[in-house]
Amino acid sequence: QKEVEQDPGPLSVPEGAIVSLNCTYSNSAFQYFMWYRQYSRKGPELLMYTYSSGNKEDGRFTAQVDKSSKYISLFIRDSQPSDSATYLCAMSQYNTDKLIFGTGTRLQVFP
Amino acid sequence: DSGVTQTPKHLITATGQRVTLRCSPRSGDLSVYWYQQSLDQGLQFLIHYYNGEERAKGNILERFSAQQFPDLHSELNLSSLELGDSALYFCASSVAGEAFFGQGTRLTVV
Repeated sequence: QKEVEQDPGPLSVPEGAIVSLNCTYSNSAFQYFMWYRQYSRKGPELLMYTYSSGNKEDGRFTAQVDKSSKYISLFIRDSQPSDSATYLCAMSQYNTDKLIFGTGTRLQVFP
Repeated sequence: DSGVTQTPKHLITATGQRVTLRCSPRSGDLSVYWYQQSLDQGLQFLIHYYNGEERAKGNILERFSAQQFPDLHSELNLSSLELGDSALYFCASSVAGEAFFGQGTRLTVV
């Protein structure tokens, strides 16, 4: 079993839809959770960074962490064609810099 | 622009050859990570250096090695290249657990 599981998609939604992206993990020692966006095989860019259970909002993006269920989510409201990209979740343990990535979910938002 | 610089952007080489990929971290970041991203796989952690010292190793082949120099730039050396080594190689630098990625080096082994 992989430490981090993420549905590869692709996920295709119309413009304006609410998108839900999810990852599950098996290692209860993970403390820090991140979402990255990657365009066309460019370098991933950090979208959201959280370290506790609950919700964190930034503009149209909301990151949710449920440590009891070992489940994290990224919600995108009012999705735009420019949101079309691959979204990768990542997580790490306390006092270590090693990031474990999901395989990424490819999202396509069509006009 | 993440502030992390990788060179070269593209590299085409033959099987059996050796190549060196270079990474300059963001100013002030002491950590450098190397990741491999193949077409059908996600980001695979290779190795982590902190201030010149190796901190962690992932699924890095024995044919691959890395080092971090006193000026904090890092190099990833890939030798005896095989077709399956064709991939995007990313480096990232981090502070407080947040990693910032370079634009990657696309390696094609023919």
